Amino acid sequence: AQSVTQLGSHVSVSEGALVLLRCNYSSSVPPYLFWYVQYPNQGLQLLLKYTTGATLVKGINGFEAEFKKSETSFHLTKPSAHMSDAAEYFCAVSDQGTYKYIFGTGTRLKVLA
Amino acid sequence: EAGVAQSPRYKIIEKRQSVAFWCNPISGHATLYWYQQILGQGPKLLIQFQNNGVVDDSQLPKDRFSAERLKGVDSTLKIQPAKLEDSAVYLCASSAWTETEAFFGQGTRLTVV
Repeated sequence: AQSVTQLGSHVSVSEGALVLLRCNYSSSVPPYLFWYVQYPNQGLQLLLKYTTGATLVKGINGFEAEFKKSETSFHLTKPSAHMSDAAEYFCAVSDQGTYKYIFGTGTRLKVLA
Repeated sequence: EAGVAQSPRYKIIEKRQSVAFWCNPISGHATLYWYQQILGQGPKLLIQFQNNGVVDDSQLPKDRFSAERLKGVDSTLKIQPAKLEDSAVYLCASSAWTETEAFFGQGTRLTVV
């Protein structure tokens, strides 16, 4: 069965610092991988996704993630944090060809001035 | 294009009462999902529809939860009777087909007291 593990339920970074949010998955076959962002009282917004092809995926708002099959990881990074990046971030996995997600427990990002 | 619409946004009920949530997917989207997001956890899939047929309801607590999607468009999710542990945000999502990206609504926040 598929599963997703997000290390660190809370992450704090200074404005302008590197953002690194960790995600590891468990799947018997290469899955589709996603990062979503959720602002307070809002729905989920897709940041980026990996389905096939290039393993370094660029998303919206300057975020990117790299699919590393050998490490079963899909960590989310952004070179320079902005105050507006403060939100909750969810990593998700699905079987190839479907968008029936299994989500991680989320990481709340706090950006310090 | 208009996004996924959900109503109400907020609902407070007493335990053992019943409640219903409504979702209007993006026009033309054949696939519709209901997710339950308990505070501090990632969203969990409750049910998936393809047009007006159920594809997956394996995680729907059928003794108290029911969902329907008449005419393959709008959907309602009902809880009867509600329990305290049903307090959560209920997210609706839709996609053009099972093989395409899902888009989320803003959710309905249910508080059971």
